Amino acid sequence: KNQVEQSPQSLIILEGKNCTLQCNYTVSPFSNLRWYKQDTGRGPVSLTIMTFSENTKSNGRYTATLDADTKQSSLHITASQLSDSASYICVVTGLSGGYNKLIFGAGTRLAVHP
Amino acid sequence: NAGVTQTPKFQVLKTGQSMTLQCAQDMNHNSMYWYRQDPGMGLRLIYYSASEGTTDKGEVPNGYNVSRLNKREFSLRLESAAPSQTSVYFCASTLQGVGTLNTEAFFGQGTRLTVV
Repeated sequence: KNQVEQSPQSLIILEGKNCTLQCNYTVSPFSNLRWYKQDTGRGPVSLTIMTFSENTKSNGRYTATLDADTKQSSLHITASQLSDSASYICVVTGLSGGYNKLIFGAGTRLAVHP
Repeated sequence: NAGVTQTPKFQVLKTGQSMTLQCAQDMNHNSMYWYRQDPGMGLRLIYYSASEGTTDKGEVPNGYNVSRLNKREFSLRLESAAPSQTSVYFCASTLQGVGTLNTEAFFGQGTRLTVV
């Protein structure tokens, strides 16, 4: 079964600290992997998209890594800010039920405290 | 450039009532989607429209219908609302299908629906 699992479920860090969020997937065949940020009460907003041939991609203080062999991805946030408080969702594109679809993880809820 | 716009933002329905959630995008995208987001779960696809004039079922289509009114608009209808349909609903759009490499998906701000 195609699944995307994220850990931890929630995380609290102090402002200025770094953190790393994890994503494991069993989606096959695999097309690409995305990380989204979802602020409370808002829709998801894209941070990065990576194909299976890419190992790392950065977007400002956000750096995503991908290991297609082990089917693992991580999102590293550097020098966290209060505005980083949000849910971070890992999304894998895969073929399921005869069509390409986005398969969503449940997200990691990050709280950055002053 | 508004992106993806959903209306309404909040709605409370009584069991058995009907309503239509509206979605419009101004990015000239071909594909549009409706998802629902429930606590502790990832977004799940209800219906999608790969292009104007076509609609297909996603993972959880029961209790819903959709209409791709034109290239810009994709509506979701609940004919007889049930408490199990209490959720946050998101509309999304992509220029091409999500299987196309690096196709970006844009989401609306969501509709929080409560069925009592």
